[in-house]
Amino acid sequence: GESVGLHLPTLSVQEGDNSIINCAYSNSASDYFIWYKQESGKGPQFIIDIRSNMDKRQGQRVTVLLNKTVKHLSLQIAATQPGDSAVYFCADYNYGQNFVFGPGTRLSVLP
Amino acid sequence: KAGVTQTPRYLIKTRGQQVTLSCSPISGHRSVSWYQQTPGQGLQFLFEYFSETQRNKGNFPGRFSGRQFSNSRSEMNVSTLELGDSALYLCASSGGRPNTEAFFGQGTRLTVV
Repeated sequence: GESVGLHLPTLSVQEGDNSIINCAYSNSASDYFIWYKQESGKGPQFIIDIRSNMDKRQGQRVTVLLNKTVKHLSLQIAATQPGDSAVYFCADYNYGQNFVFGPGTRLSVLP
Repeated sequence: KAGVTQTPRYLIKTRGQQVTLSCSPISGHRSVSWYQQTPGQGLQFLFEYFSETQRNKGNFPGRFSGRQFSNSRSEMNVSTLELGDSALYLCASSGGRPNTEAFFGQGTRLTVV
């Protein structure tokens, strides 16, 4: 993930719509990526991961897309629900530094 | 299967004191990593322990140290606390291979006054 001054982007979506959260990473040698969800007062919760030999991976209501050419990850959440409201982090594994986290995106689901 | 357990959940300390935080990983996991989370800097890697040895280290001063026991439980110690050490300290547990899933505990909220 890329820590660029730590303003926290916010994404507001209507309940039932799809959400797309984006993330840039800086290390072209990174070969493993995770998306985490963090609710207030809790630790980050593992959502989905992807390795660099893939460009797409699907889970339950979530899809991660990886574009290695531009060092970009996205997390798509289908049919967003109020319980999806949280801060979402991407993390890429850097050998020697463990996981490097992006600044996070706050997702707000509007009723 | 029990998740990652961190104790205590909350802690208030005075500048200059030292503190020890504890992390019990998921059963069978041998790697424990520590991260500091602050509003200003986000999530930053402190260090990782695997089989009682420090495997990786982030860019934190020597006041931050850790260790791991034979049962994979880990402790993190911060000496000579500064106000800027106030943060959520998170522990992540993984099986051991470097680039595999890491699961976090709830964290310890440290406030230095």
